[in-house]
Amino acid sequence: DQQVKQNSPSLSVQEGRISILNCDYTNSMFDYFLWYKKYPAEGPTFLISISSIKDKNEDGRFTVFLNKSAKHLSLHIVPSQPGDSAVYFCAANMNTGFQKLVFGTGTRLLVSP
Amino acid sequence: DVKVTQSSRYLVKRTGEKVFLECVQDMDHENMFWYRQDPGLGLRLIYFSYDVKMKEKGDIPEGYSVSREKKERFSLILESASTNQTSMYLCASSPRGGGHQPQHFGDGTRLSIL
Repeated sequence: DQQVKQNSPSLSVQEGRISILNCDYTNSMFDYFLWYKKYPAEGPTFLISISSIKDKNEDGRFTVFLNKSAKHLSLHIVPSQPGDSAVYFCAANMNTGFQKLVFGTGTRLLVSP
Repeated sequence: DVKVTQSSRYLVKRTGEKVFLECVQDMDHENMFWYRQDPGLGLRLIYFSYDVKMKEKGDIPEGYSVSREKKERFSLILESASTNQTSMYLCASSPRGGGHQPQHFGDGTRLSIL
């Protein structure tokens, strides 16, 4: 049972445009959501997170939006750059203290010059 | 910067062998995790530990065990390797605290079981 879903395996965007990566979840007990970026042959690196009490969090070119009623979050990258080409994982966590993350299957973003 | 180091980048072993994957972190983090990453399946949690000598099963613990004798080191053990354990294995650590604390990952070990 996939509790965190990223339904788009891949996304192609031109440099300078907006990239929108989507994530859906089923468990209403999740209260933190995180995005990780992964380059080939490297481990995932933390990008941005959002608490369930917020609906938006921004960090530079990266903004995460949370719609709790729809159980949906999205990551916006504006403007997209070729260096953003990577696999992006959405992850969710219940605040149990163990930080047991549930990951989505990932979306491969390709930003072309 | 947090450094999570996995002992091998690539490893090739044979079916039935006992395999050890080692992970060391240098930031005094209480929590450590082992995941495997497979195409189309994302990252799946195998085991985690929230303190020395403590361990908890993740979502796919079958065929694996772990050891945490020191705070900085977390070992994943494949008791009798099988071909379906061919995968990318990722170790992570995080400080104790709320769910907003991000996990810091090593660069992974690509394990092939022949």
